[in-house]
Amino acid sequence: GEDVEQSLFLSVREGDSSVINCTYTDSSSTYLYWYKQEPGAGLQLLTYIFSNMDMKQDQRLTVLLNKKDKHLSLRIADTQTGDSAIYFCAEGYTGRRALTFGSGTRLQVQP
Amino acid sequence: DGGITQSPKYLFRKEGQNVTLSCEQNLNHDAMYWYRQDPGQGLRLIYYSQIVNDFQKGDIAEGYSVSREKKESFPLTVTSAQKNPTAFYLCASSPDSTGNTIYFGEGSWLTVV
Repeated sequence: GEDVEQSLFLSVREGDSSVINCTYTDSSSTYLYWYKQEPGAGLQLLTYIFSNMDMKQDQRLTVLLNKKDKHLSLRIADTQTGDSAIYFCAEGYTGRRALTFGSGTRLQVQP
Repeated sequence: DGGITQSPKYLFRKEGQNVTLSCEQNLNHDAMYWYRQDPGQGLRLIYYSQIVNDFQKGDIAEGYSVSREKKESFPLTVTSAQKNPTAFYLCASSPDSTGNTIYFGEGSWLTVV
């Protein structure tokens, strides 16, 4: 079945790096996503990675994928207070009806 | 501006009343989705539509209904049969029916009293 797991909470100091982790169970997953949700708002697509890639970097964001362990991580360099939000991991593959989301990790950035 | 518009943002209803949440997109996306978000539970799929005049149940469709008469519109009705309707509802769309890379609206808060 499809299942995506994330830890619930992460607290970091401003300027440090944040690493948010995600594990998934569906070996058919071909697309893996990170979304950001600010309080009371919808989800904003941050980045995604195809399953044939190990790493993707986009400015302060680095996504690492370990397909063997079905483990995905999002690293935010130089974390700012504006990065405080809930981060959702999601997975899917072509032809499946919709993405499967994790429960979200709340990132708290302390000044 | 292109995007997904949900309305209203906040809605209060008495128990036993049906309520309809609006979702409109001008992105020319084929697929549209409704998710429900409860605290600490992530997103759960209610209904989805891959093409006009067609829709399928998601994981928690009981007590909800939808229609897809136009490509740009996918309204969700929360009926009185839904036992715990108070939640944050998110509409989303995707360029095609592959189910990947979906984009979200800003959400609607429904409180039933």
